Amino acid sequence: NAGVTQTPKFQVLKTGQSMTLQCAQDMNHNSMYWYRQDPGMGLRLIYYSASEGTTDKGEVPNGYNVSRLNKREFSLRLESAAPSQTSVYFCASRAQQGASGYTFGSGTRLTVV
Amino acid sequence: AQSVTQLDSQVPVFEEAPVELRCNYSSSVSVYLFWYVQYPNQGLQLLLKYLSGSTLVKGINGFEAEFNKSQTSFHLRKPSVHISDTAEYFCAVSTGNAGNMLTFGGGTRLMVKP
Repeated sequence: NAGVTQTPKFQVLKTGQSMTLQCAQDMNHNSMYWYRQDPGMGLRLIYYSASEGTTDKGEVPNGYNVSRLNKREFSLRLESAAPSQTSVYFCASRAQQGASGYTFGSGTRLTVV
Repeated sequence: AQSVTQLDSQVPVFEEAPVELRCNYSSSVSVYLFWYVQYPNQGLQLLLKYLSGSTLVKGINGFEAEFNKSQTSFHLRKPSVHISDTAEYFCAVSTGNAGNMLTFGGGTRLMVKP
């Protein structure tokens, strides 16, 4: 099925470990986004990529890095995980200029102990 | 920069009663407005969106929302809720500028009781 695929779905890390969250979309969308969801705070933007080859910081970028590997893939890396990064992470993509067409992945639930 | 405020963190309601989930936004430019629903342990699903035109927008599952520019509001309504509407609802805004990122409110948990 066409859409946004995130892996893994669940992950437990120890403080200080690193990991990469993967996101891929097969809709030929230009823009991709990484959000984190925390109770009572909605979704907050970590990083985004308006088009292949570009990335920009969002509202809460500290402790994260991203790579727009190609038009399909946008990965999020935690270099040294901290308990404050325990969250649910969502990847999203959007087709073109204008506001419609956001598609979200099913999320990655990350726990840092 | 834009911001979104959802005025109620939780809304309990009995089945078949009407419900309104409130959303206010602030932005210095024109905005596009969205409501998303998240069922337990799932991703976000688009309920409806306002891009332009008629200020009353109808979405899936019998929901509708009205864009009020003077009040900077985009409240979500349903005349009769079902148990299956129990979920978290997010209001979001986008300005259509470069990046076109969505800015979300904190969410409202709708709890429908039998």
